[in-house]
Amino acid sequence: AQSVSQHNHHVILSEAASLELGCNYSYGGTVNLFWYVQYPGQHLQLLLKYFSGDPLVKGIKGFEAEFIKSKFSFNLRKPSVQWSDTAEYFCAVNPTLGNTDKLIFGTGTRLQVFP
Amino acid sequence: DAGVIQSPRHEVTEMGQEVTLRCKPISGHNSLFWYRQTMMRGLELLIYFNNNVPIDDSGMPEDRFSAKMPNASFSTLKIQPSEPRDSAVYFCASSPLYNEQFFGPGTRLTVL
Repeated sequence: AQSVSQHNHHVILSEAASLELGCNYSYGGTVNLFWYVQYPGQHLQLLLKYFSGDPLVKGIKGFEAEFIKSKFSFNLRKPSVQWSDTAEYFCAVNPTLGNTDKLIFGTGTRLQVFP
Repeated sequence: DAGVIQSPRHEVTEMGQEVTLRCKPISGHNSLFWYRQTMMRGLELLIYFNNNVPIDDSGMPEDRFSAKMPNASFSTLKIQPSEPRDSAVYFCASSPLYNEQFFGPGTRLTVL
């Protein structure tokens, strides 16, 4: 079965620290990849997405992600986090060859940033 | 565009009552999704529609749950009868075909 793994369940950082959140998926075909963010008490919002082209994708608020096809990974990075980045982060995959709009979400990573 | 609209934003009801959640997707989007989010189970896809037709309802927990999409601009998720374990935040999302999903603000349901 297709799945998305986010190995870091809870990450705690100080402001200005660098961030990398892991995301791995199990699907051998072509995929569209997404990172969503959910701030406390809010809904999910898109941070960035990858469909094709340059595997290094830049998103909003200084976030970026790199698609490494050989590793089935799409890790999220930010060089210097801020307190306002405290949120839950979800990786999601759409297997394009399935003719489906369904997104397979990871279980999420809770990020806490302390001033 | 106003984004995905959900109502009500909060619902408190008693066990056994019928609950109806409503969603208006973004105009022009082909697909609509209903999710449930809890601390214990995380984010779960309940059902999704493409061009108003239910495509995958494998996530609907049991017969007490039903969803309809009578037209391109409206969908409902109904729980009858409701139970305390149905307490959760229910999100509706819409998307153009094969693209990112846009989430609504959610309905926080509490069943006493």
